[in-house]
Amino acid sequence: NAGVTQTPKFQVLKTGQSMTLQCAQDMNHNSMYWYRQDPGMGLRLIYYSASEGTTDKGEVPNGYNVSRLNKREFSLRLESAAPSQTSVYFCASTFLALSYEQYFGPGTRLTVT
Amino acid sequence: QKEVEQDPGPLSVPEGAIVSLNCTYSNSAFQYFMWYRQYSRKGPELLMYTYSSGNKEDGRFTAQVDKSSKYISLFIRDSQPSDSATYLCAMSAGGGSNYKLTFGKGTLLTVNP
Repeated sequence: NAGVTQTPKFQVLKTGQSMTLQCAQDMNHNSMYWYRQDPGMGLRLIYYSASEGTTDKGEVPNGYNVSRLNKREFSLRLESAAPSQTSVYFCASTFLALSYEQYFGPGTRLTVT
Repeated sequence: QKEVEQDPGPLSVPEGAIVSLNCTYSNSAFQYFMWYRQYSRKGPELLMYTYSSGNKEDGRFTAQVDKSSKYISLFIRDSQPSDSATYLCAMSAGGGSNYKLTFGKGTLLTVNP
C-alpha cells in the first residue's frame, strides 16, 4: 500500500496563478482532509470530506476550493494564488470510526511569489 | 484564548534523558487526546492516543490526560536521537459523522547523542 500520496511535492507560483494539489489514498478510507502548516501556527484544517460526495469548510477555507473526485481522491484548488498561501499542505485520511488516527501524506511545499 | 496551547520549544536534551511534553486546552468537550510525531519534512504520524482521563503506556512513551485540569502530557523515557522530531498534540470532541482534530502548534525536540 502506498498510503496517502500527494502531488506535486514542490511548487512555485506567481501571484494570481492557479493550481490544483492532488491527493489520493489506497486504504479505503471514508474521510479525507486538507491542512496547511505554517511556522508558529501549527496544522490548520482548510476543508474536509466526511464521505464521498460531501465537503465542508474547516478553519481557514478562504481562497481554496476542493473536489472529492471519488472515494480515493480529494483535490485542493487555489484559483488565484496569494503570497499568504505560501505554506506546506498536507492531505490526510481516516476511517470514520477510528478517526483519531489520521494518516498523512508527505506534503506539498508551495511558495507564492 | 486558543483552544489548544502547546509550548513550541525548542527543547534540547541529552540522550537518555526523560522528556516531558505538555498541552493545555480550553474546550471541555474534548474526549480524545492524541500525540502525533513529525520528522523534518515529513507528514505527522500518530504516536499515541488516549480516551478521556488516565494514563497509557507504550514502550518508552507514556501519555497522561487530566481532564479536570485540561492538561495532557507525553513522557519519553530513555530518549534517543531518533526521537528528535516535532511532537504535536491533537484533540477531538468526537461524535457525529465526522471527527475533526484540533492540533497544538507542536514542540520541536532534539535529543543530542
